[in-house]
Amino acid sequence: DGGITQSPKYLFRKEGQNVTLSCEQNLNHDAMYWYRQDPGQGLRLIYYSQIVNDFQKGDIAEGYSVSREKKESFPLTVTSAQKNPTAFYLCASSPVWPHMRETQYFGPGTRLLVL
Amino acid sequence: QKEVEQDPGPLSVPEGAIVSLNCTYSNSAFQYFMWYRQYSRKGPELLMYTYSSGNKEDGRFTAQVDKSSKYISLFIRDSQPSDSATYLCAMSRPLMDSSYKLIFGSGTRLLVRP
Repeated sequence: DGGITQSPKYLFRKEGQNVTLSCEQNLNHDAMYWYRQDPGQGLRLIYYSQIVNDFQKGDIAEGYSVSREKKESFPLTVTSAQKNPTAFYLCASSPVWPHMRETQYFGPGTRLLVL
Repeated sequence: QKEVEQDPGPLSVPEGAIVSLNCTYSNSAFQYFMWYRQYSRKGPELLMYTYSSGNKEDGRFTAQVDKSSKYISLFIRDSQPSDSATYLCAMSRPLMDSSYKLIFGSGTRLLVRP
């Protein structure tokens, strides 16, 4: 089955700790995205990547870092500089042109909690 | 002012009712309009995707876009308890690097009572 997988489902972070959220897709999509969702708020873009070894900051990139070494993988690291990391993190990907590249398909999400 | 406004609800309806969900937007650069359904603690699922003004139907779902009024709607006919979820509208506009950025509404929580 084609799709986007995220792991772990739940993640706990201690003060001062960096944690990494995994995102893998087997849809052959070029573009991948990371969003943060807080209760009662829309999704906010953290980082996105159009191609391997290239990525761009979104609206709330401070305290986060990403890498794109493989087309299928786009891990997100929440660093200790992110002072309010508790949220639901969603990874998404977009099809290649010309097939609906304006849309995005989402993974199941990772819930990050601070201890 | 937010680029996309969406009433958070909750909206509670009896089973079988017609549901109307709406979003307004302020940016004329938005080109594509989507509706996502999100069940609790799950990722959003793409329901409808439209480009032009007018209606698009898919089963019990109808998406309506009025670009002149900057207003989009999602109608659900014969609503079922399984439709109970949060519905997110999303709109995309092109970026300088040929990618697209999605702007999301905050979501409307729908509850369909048996």
